[in-house]
Amino acid sequence: SAVISQKPSRDICQRGTSLTIQCQVDSQVTMMFWYRQQPGQSLTLIATANQGSEATYESGFVIDKFPISRPNLTFSTLTVSNMSPEDSSIYLCSVGDPSGLAEGGSYNEQFFGPGTRLTVL
Amino acid sequence: DAKTTQPTSMDCAEGRAANLPCNHSTISGNEYVYWYRQIHSQGPQYIIHGLKNNETNEMASLIITEDRKSSTLILPHATLRDTAVYYCIVSVEYGNKLVFGAGTILRVKS
Repeated sequence: SAVISQKPSRDICQRGTSLTIQCQVDSQVTMMFWYRQQPGQSLTLIATANQGSEATYESGFVIDKFPISRPNLTFSTLTVSNMSPEDSSIYLCSVGDPSGLAEGGSYNEQFFGPGTRLTVL
Repeated sequence: DAKTTQPTSMDCAEGRAANLPCNHSTISGNEYVYWYRQIHSQGPQYIIHGLKNNETNEMASLIITEDRKSSTLILPHATLRDTAVYYCIVSVEYGNKLVFGAGTILRVKS
């Protein structure tokens, strides 16, 4: 398994500002993902964070709004830029655990961080 | 990825088995069935996955029909702490994204 921490755990921000969310994993992982969960809704994948290359964004999400960094195999950041109240959500990172492969698991046995609760006023 | 259909909500008595159904009639031959759950204010937690054989681990059992068009997650002795949203997801095994549907809200009651 993998232990994931996120910072900050929550924040209240003013519209027009930007917030960078950090995701730290206790082991090296190949795949990291960023999700958004709007109030009362299910999770929506924003992008896949690839180490050494640009992130791969899902339909409806663009790099200018959600720039992502992946400087190494244990860390990633997601920035929510030029925020509006519609960006109020929980943002979660997850990782695919390669060790799961050795134990008969798979990359899609993902482990999730606790989330960052963002409120934009 | 194939789409899944789950009931919106279910109730279960504490100590009884909780059986959560999922339909995935368009599943492809190389797609697995995954189950995750999300307890309130936490990130989703992996439960179990399978391809075509029934699977069991310390948390649950997964029963997949022979035609693979539906499956059932079984929590053998539900507790209050099992109250959560349960997501059934169909995906290929390696390096693919997870597409979360609405899930089933399971309420375990004493």
